[in-house]
Amino acid sequence: GAVVSQHPSRVICKSGTSVKIECRSLDFQATTMFWYRQFPKQSLMLMATSNEGSKATYEQGVEKDKFLINHASLTLSTLTVTSAHPEDSSFYICSAITGGSTDTQYFGPGTRLTVL
Amino acid sequence: GENVEQHPSTLSVQEGDSAVIKCTYSDSASNYFPWYKQELGKGPQLIIDIRSNVGEKKDQRIAVTLNKTAKHFSLHITETQPEDSAVYFCAASKGNFNKFYFGSGTKLNVKP
Repeated sequence: GAVVSQHPSRVICKSGTSVKIECRSLDFQATTMFWYRQFPKQSLMLMATSNEGSKATYEQGVEKDKFLINHASLTLSTLTVTSAHPEDSSFYICSAITGGSTDTQYFGPGTRLTVL
Repeated sequence: GENVEQHPSTLSVQEGDSAVIKCTYSDSASNYFPWYKQELGKGPQLIIDIRSNVGEKKDQRIAVTLNKTAKHFSLHITETQPEDSAVYFCAASKGNFNKFYFGSGTKLNVKP
């Protein structure tokens, strides 16, 4: 149980275009999902906390107009990188909390974004 | 805010030996401490976690110990195997859907 999927796994786009990444909890409902960014050989950097039915909470320094997050249902959260630039190239990972009495985060497999 | 430090950054052991990775945290309100294993190009995978109401937890070859007084927790892997080679991250959280604070990671290399 507690499986989180991400789509796509890899995406290459041109500078200036927008890219949407989906995060799904496959066998549980997730009221809270998190979006992380990870640079090579570095730790995970939290970008934002996504709660179903409400606006995402962004970490300091993360541009909310550039990284649009939508948590439309209890099983789906999306991250849209708008007007992508080469510096946005990174590994983006989502996680979801199973809820109840536990707050264990289960991570998706990640999405490798390359902006040309 | 919380600050989690992790050591060592790299660890190389011989197959069959034990490996220990240590983390310290600064916020005494943190009460949940998970450990994740991340293989190259993949998302982190939860391998074991511990809450502040216990001092030790074991799952086959993996164990985690927690010292609340000293604010440190450790991951112990016994009888290491080449497939244990990966990057391991510790994290701390205050629970109640609060965000995680991650350590900087430890690259474990198990030599056959």
